[in-house]
Amino acid sequence: DAKTTQPPSMDCAEGRAANLPCNHSTISGNEYVYWYRQIHSQGPQYIIHGLKNNETNEMASLIITEDRKSSTLILPHATLRDTAVYYCIVRFRVVAAGNKLTFGGGTRVLVKP
Amino acid sequence: EPEVTQTPSHQVTQMGQEVILRCVPISNHLYFYWYRQILGQKVEFLVSFYNNEISEKSEIFDDQFSVERPDGSNFTLKIRSTKLEDSAMYFCASTDGGTGIQQRTGELFFGEGSRLTVL
Repeated sequence: DAKTTQPPSMDCAEGRAANLPCNHSTISGNEYVYWYRQIHSQGPQYIIHGLKNNETNEMASLIITEDRKSSTLILPHATLRDTAVYYCIVRFRVVAAGNKLTFGGGTRVLVKP
Repeated sequence: EPEVTQTPSHQVTQMGQEVILRCVPISNHLYFYWYRQILGQKVEFLVSFYNNEISEKSEIFDDQFSVERPDGSNFTLKIRSTKLEDSAMYFCASTDGGTGIQQRTGELFFGEGSRLTVL
């Protein structure tokens, strides 16, 4: 799986958009970008994923650059409950035994009132 | 919404004792995983399990560790002789094997974890 680079931490004001960058310059054509988050040592939680098109769901939006070497997770209106460690993970989405996620250090996001 | 459940939520044991951590994956899932997270460190992959056998394991998953799906619903992680450095949060995860929406997303569902403290 390709390696990702994320800033170790960032602060965000409550109610404002939080933009979380991720670099994945070695991503291959069949690899997807996944985002998970971990709130205070709870189990990681899936947020969103994408291949090359921008994606949006009820939790967040994912913007992937045209060359696919970087992406940005957008939390449109951050709340205090969004304080968490956010992980950007690149992996193949194949139907195969295994299909594990490999977690890096992530970005520790602190949403402030 | 279906969820992965883990027991116990916290276990304290003496070094050298055997520990079994239990997980109930989501019922129609076919792939199962154990991860661990030492306090303040990354979430680390231990092992994946499919079709009643280990499909992949990490260097951490040595002979002291074993996994089992004894009855078609539970998925267990056994640590045969615990060491101080086994103290960590252990997470179970599961995913659908090819049917249902989960496989389209590739989403892994994680449990809330079992905290193991080895004294």
